[in-house]
Amino acid sequence: GQNIDQPTEMTATEGAIVQINCTYQTSGFNGLFWYQQHAGEAPTFLSYNVLDGLEEKGRFSSFLSRSKGYSYLLLKELQMKDSASYLCAALDSNYQLIWGAGTKLIIKP
Amino acid sequence: NAGVTQTPKFRVLKTGQSMTLLCAQDMNHEYMYWYRQDPGMGLRLIHYSVGEGTTAKGEVPDGYNVSRLKKQNFLLGLESAAPSQTSVYFCASAEGEFSYNEQFFGPGTRLTVL
Repeated sequence: GQNIDQPTEMTATEGAIVQINCTYQTSGFNGLFWYQQHAGEAPTFLSYNVLDGLEEKGRFSSFLSRSKGYSYLLLKELQMKDSASYLCAALDSNYQLIWGAGTKLIIKP
Repeated sequence: NAGVTQTPKFRVLKTGQSMTLLCAQDMNHEYMYWYRQDPGMGLRLIHYSVGEGTTAKGEVPDGYNVSRLKKQNFLLGLESAAPSQTSVYFCASAEGEFSYNEQFFGPGTRLTVL
């Protein structure tokens, strides 16, 4: 079956760095997405990786290892506004997104 | 541009009632999707459309029907609502079939079925 695993909840301190991990098992693989979702709002796109390696975009970076079925989202210089859920989603062989349940990130002052 | 809009934002139904959720996008996107999001679970695809006049089933299509008569609109219907359909429903659109195309989401519809 197809499956995405990510931690349910993480806590970090304002100004610090946090890494949110995601492992995936899908029928075929056409890339991995990270979305941010604030409480009561719609998901918004953060990043897309299809090749191995690190993609950096400002304070956010995303890493992919296709051989390990593993990705992480790295958030630097955490701000209170980064408190949100972070959704990992893998694109399978039919170009359908398989979504993880999301990681709720709590930022403390 | 409004992006992706959904109506209504909230709705309470009684078991057995029917309703239609409307999704509209002004980005000229080919692909449109309906998801449901439940606590502790990932987004689950209900139905999707790869263009005007076409629809296809997703992961959890039972109890729902859809129509895409116009490119900019994607309707989700519940013919006979059940408490198990209590959820937050998100519509999304994407430019095309290429894998790197991100999906743009509407604000969601919070549906409660009593």
